Amino acid sequence: AQKITQTQPGMFVQEKEAVTLDCTYDTSDPSYGLFWYKQPSSGEMIFLIYQGSYDQQNATEGRYSLNFQKARKSANLVISASQLGDSAMYFCAMRASSNTGKLIFGQGTTLQVKP
Amino acid sequence: GAGVSQSPSNKVTEKGKDVELRCDPISGHTALYWYRQSLGQGLEFLIYFQGNSAPDKSGLPSDRFSAERTGGSVSTLTIQRTQQEDSAVYLCASGPSWADNEQFFGPGTRLTVL
Repeated sequence: AQKITQTQPGMFVQEKEAVTLDCTYDTSDPSYGLFWYKQPSSGEMIFLIYQGSYDQQNATEGRYSLNFQKARKSANLVISASQLGDSAMYFCAMRASSNTGKLIFGQGTTLQVKP
Repeated sequence: GAGVSQSPSNKVTEKGKDVELRCDPISGHTALYWYRQSLGQGLEFLIYFQGNSAPDKSGLPSDRFSAERTGGSVSTLTIQRTQQEDSAVYLCASGPSWADNEQFFGPGTRLTVL
């Protein structure tokens, strides 16, 4: 069965420091995609970063990078130089099926950035 | 508008009533998804549309839930005989195709069943 696990319900980080949010996944499909979304208190889902299973390099988007360790089936999100506006819920998701694109989500991690 | 829009933003209904939730995807996006987010939980997939057809309805929780999409654009999620456990935020997402590396989400409809 395909599954996404986020083991950190809540995290704190000091402003301007880096933080890593953990995500592990389980799938038997050789081809899959991994996504991270940010959900502020306003409720919108904001796409952050994507990693394909065949991508050779870790994805990066500005202050966001994805630490992809295929053998360990982990796809951790690294946020560098944290800002107060980074306080939000973060969801890891996997594109589970090769022909529908539906996403399976983890339970999320709440990140609070301290000034 | 440029993004995915959903209406209404909030809906309060009484148990047993039917409700319709609407999603307007980004123009030209052929893939459309409905998800449900219960309080403090992750998102749960409901249904996927490619154009007007729904090749994956595996996430619909019961036969009280149905959805349609017309003209390859607007989609409506209908919940019949609502129950209190249907209370959640219903999110719609669209993408250029199922294989796209991003799904753009709408702001959601918060449904409360009294």
